[in-house]
Amino acid sequence: GQQVMQIPQYQHVQEGEDFTTYCNSSTTLSNIQWYKQRPGGHPVFLIQLVKSGEVKKQKRLTFQFGEAKKNSSLHITATQTTDVGTYFCAGYNNDMRFGAGTRLTVKP
Amino acid sequence: SQTIHQWPATLVQPVGSPLSLECTVEGTSNPNLYWYRQAAGRGLQLLFYSVGIGQISSEVPQNLSASRPQDRQFILSSKKLLLSDSGFYLCAWSVGGSYQPQHFGDGTRLSIL
Repeated sequence: GQQVMQIPQYQHVQEGEDFTTYCNSSTTLSNIQWYKQRPGGHPVFLIQLVKSGEVKKQKRLTFQFGEAKKNSSLHITATQTTDVGTYFCAGYNNDMRFGAGTRLTVKP
Repeated sequence: SQTIHQWPATLVQPVGSPLSLECTVEGTSNPNLYWYRQAAGRGLQLLFYSVGIGQISSEVPQNLSASRPQDRQFILSSKKLLLSDSGFYLCAWSVGGSYQPQHFGDGTRLSIL
C-alpha cells in the first residue's frame, strides 16, 4: 500500500539557522498537505500542494512539490523559537497517509 | 465558523475497562470524520474514518470500534482496554470529498494502568 516516508526524524538547530524536512512517497500523489503540531498540541493544517513542481511560500516557510509528485519539502529560513514543533506531511492517493513527522527543536 | 470538540482531555483507565471518547463538530454538515492515535513522540495512525452516518471504515484491526450515530458526532469505543491502547487520541474532520485539509480536535491523552 501507499507509504509516506519523512526525514529526518529529529532536527535540532540554533535559532537563525535554516531547517528542511523531506517527504517521499512510494506512489504518485494527487496532493500533499503539511501540518504543524506544537508540543502538547494538535496538528494544524499549514498548506496544500496539488500541481507538479508547485512552490508555495508562507513568510519564512517554503513548500515544494516534486515534478513527479512523489516528494515534497518544507524549508524554514532563519528559524525562530516559535517554529518549535513537529512537522507532518500527508500525501493523498485514494486515501490520506501521514508521514511520521520531523520534530524540530530550536536553541535560542 | 466550524469548531470541533473532543472530550475528555485526559483519561486514566485500568486495563480491561471500557472506553468511550466523543467528538462533535459544529458549523458544517456531512463532514468526513476521523479517529487517529499518536504514540508518544510518534506519527499519526489512522484508526477509523467515516463519510456519513453509520458508515465506518476501519484501518487497523484491534479492540477498538467507532460509531457515528449522528452527522456530526463520532465516538471511539472499546469493551476492554489493553495496555497498548495508551496514547494520544485525535479526532479530525474535513469537508466531504477528496483532497480536503483535516482539522483536528485538542485530543484525549489516554493512560492505561
